[in-house]
Amino acid sequence: NAGVTQTPKFQVLKTGQSMTLQCAQDMNHEYMSWYRQDPGMGLRLIHYSVGAGITDQGEVPNGYNVSRSTTEDFPLRLLSAAPSQTSVYFCASTPLDGANVLTFGAGSRLTVL
Amino acid sequence: AQSVTQLGSHVSVSEGALVLLRCNYSSSVPPYLFWYVQYPNQGLQLLLKYTSAATLVKGINGFEAEFKKSETSFHLTKPSAHMSDAAEYFCAVSERGSNYKLTFGKGTLLTVNP
Repeated sequence: NAGVTQTPKFQVLKTGQSMTLQCAQDMNHEYMSWYRQDPGMGLRLIHYSVGAGITDQGEVPNGYNVSRSTTEDFPLRLLSAAPSQTSVYFCASTPLDGANVLTFGAGSRLTVL
Repeated sequence: AQSVTQLGSHVSVSEGALVLLRCNYSSSVPPYLFWYVQYPNQGLQLLLKYTSAATLVKGINGFEAEFKKSETSFHLTKPSAHMSDAAEYFCAVSERGSNYKLTFGKGTLLTVNP
């Protein structure tokens, strides 16, 4: 049972480049979400989804796009990377019949030069 | 809107001493409350959760937290710190019902001195 898998673990981009952070879970969780973690800021919610075809914005959505075509996958897209998007990104999921207990991936560290 | 305040971005204790990490929340309805731990270069791991059963919640690794509605607090404690407890700890809150979004505090870095 792999849980929540994030790829890549590390990525360096130049300003203006695009990329996709991948997130996959094998627990059949309906809810999936992306957070970014910055020093002294805790974790802030970027986007979330309660099921295939349904996404919504979190606290800091600007500069990021998401889609949810399957229950398992929830990719996060940066269309034109900026240095302000240098961060550690975490994907997390939970079943809708639970008590909101998130299972986190190991994180993806992104540096934008 | 719900929010979480963790008092103290850095707490330092001696091995064997009491650990107390403070968390206060604001929420318009009785919330779910969580403590997560993050070890260096790892993801977050659930320590414990409060979902309206007993107000004193026991978690993994000897940690516990008490929900105090009158004080809007959910402080995390451990009677005796161990070197392996050194990590960053996050308090989080979410609303009951269909809202699955967690709001996290800014974190408290726990250092354990030998």
